[in-house]
Amino acid sequence: GNSVTQMEGPVTLSEEAFLTINCTYTATGYPSLFWYVQYPGEGLQLLLKATKADDKGSNKGFEATYRKETTSFHLEKGSVQVSDSAVYFCALRGNAGNNRKLIWGLGTSLAVNP
Amino acid sequence: NAGVTQTPKFQVLKTGQSMTLQCAQDMNHEYMSWYRQDPGMGLRLIHYSVGAGITDQGEVPNGYNVSRSTTEDFPLRLLSAAPSQTSVYFCASSYSSWGGQETQYFGPGTRLLVL
Repeated sequence: GNSVTQMEGPVTLSEEAFLTINCTYTATGYPSLFWYVQYPGEGLQLLLKATKADDKGSNKGFEATYRKETTSFHLEKGSVQVSDSAVYFCALRGNAGNNRKLIWGLGTSLAVNP
Repeated sequence: NAGVTQTPKFQVLKTGQSMTLQCAQDMNHEYMSWYRQDPGMGLRLIHYSVGAGITDQGEVPNGYNVSRSTTEDFPLRLLSAAPSQTSVYFCASSYSSWGGQETQYFGPGTRLLVL
């Protein structure tokens, strides 16, 4: 079945550092890929998404490119801020049959220090 | 739009007690679901609904019941609370269950402690 693997955290960075959070997936067909963010004490919210190979999702300075050849959807940001401290979840959703359920990674905690 | 709302925000129960976690959405979304979030285990799907009158089990349904009498509401019932049900519970909704590209909208969560 479909699955998502995220790099384990916690990740601790200084402000203005470069961020990469790795996400790889296993899926049949052509799934849609998502990054969700959970700020402390809140529910999850969509950060960005990509629905086909080579698509780049972007939002709030974050980017992720749907790489079918490496089955990856790594999240990047060029210069993180303290306000980016949160837990980031990679997710996948298939587009056919029983694979339409949303499959979640375990989440990666990011702490950004001033 | 209020989006997805959940009540209560925090609840303490004793083992064996029952309670209902409320979830409502005002976006006319077809699909609603309940997750629990536990440290190191990510999000696990408890139950979901693809429309009023239709519900189905997720990964971890034992000890929980749901019903969907209206499009807006999707309550989660704990029949006899156990310490293993201590968790943070999230309700989520999306416009359609059939679109792979659909964004899920989450409520703020209910933190449950079972003593």
